[in-house]
Amino acid sequence: QQQVKQSPQSLIVQKGGIPIINCAYENTAFDYFPWYQQFPGKGPALLIAIRPDVSEKKEGRFTISFNKSAKQFSLHIMDSQPGDSATYFCAASKVGYGGSQGNLIFGKGTKLSVKP
Amino acid sequence: DAGITQSPRYKITETGRQVTLMCHQTWSHSYMFWYRQDLGHGLRLIYYSAAADITDKGEVPDGYVVSRSKTENFPLTLESATRSQTSVYFCASSEGRAQGDTGELFFGEGSRLTVL
Repeated sequence: QQQVKQSPQSLIVQKGGIPIINCAYENTAFDYFPWYQQFPGKGPALLIAIRPDVSEKKEGRFTISFNKSAKQFSLHIMDSQPGDSATYFCAASKVGYGGSQGNLIFGKGTKLSVKP
Repeated sequence: DAGITQSPRYKITETGRQVTLMCHQTWSHSYMFWYRQDLGHGLRLIYYSAAADITDKGEVPDGYVVSRSKTENFPLTLESATRSQTSVYFCASSEGRAQGDTGELFFGEGSRLTVL
């Protein structure tokens, strides 16, 4: 019930393409769904996040789509650039909960390569 | 500089030795976390702490010990290192879990540990 399943494990696209990374969760108590971006040799950093009261959120070239009934959410990167090459992690948690459900549960990550 | 720092960044040790990874944050965040990152497993939570002197197990706590005598420090100790503990370790911090707090994690740059 605590798992977050992420796919694909790796993804190669050409510059300008639109990579899509998918995640599915099981715990219906989760109400916060962030994506973290990690460059080689660095720690992950928050990229964009969504709450279940909206179905889509855009920040620049990054968009999260959220489907509450299917318990799925995805990250789309518009007009991808070589600088977007990184590992992307989806995650889920319950907001404002002091116990373990308040801890982020991460997917296993997707390594994205954007070719020039 | 403000932020979260880990030391050492790289460590090579031998099986059976004790190793301590240090983590220091300057934000006075209530929560601190230790994750390990392994290929194919993503980020797995080892231990977390909600405040000084309060720690709790995560997903993979076996073989690790933590303490938190001061809010800003959260050391992770491998009491008798094993080869399976070869990994990249990330420390992270977040603010409290009050109503509405999303618990954004701020990660350090990681400590790469090799156990021979």
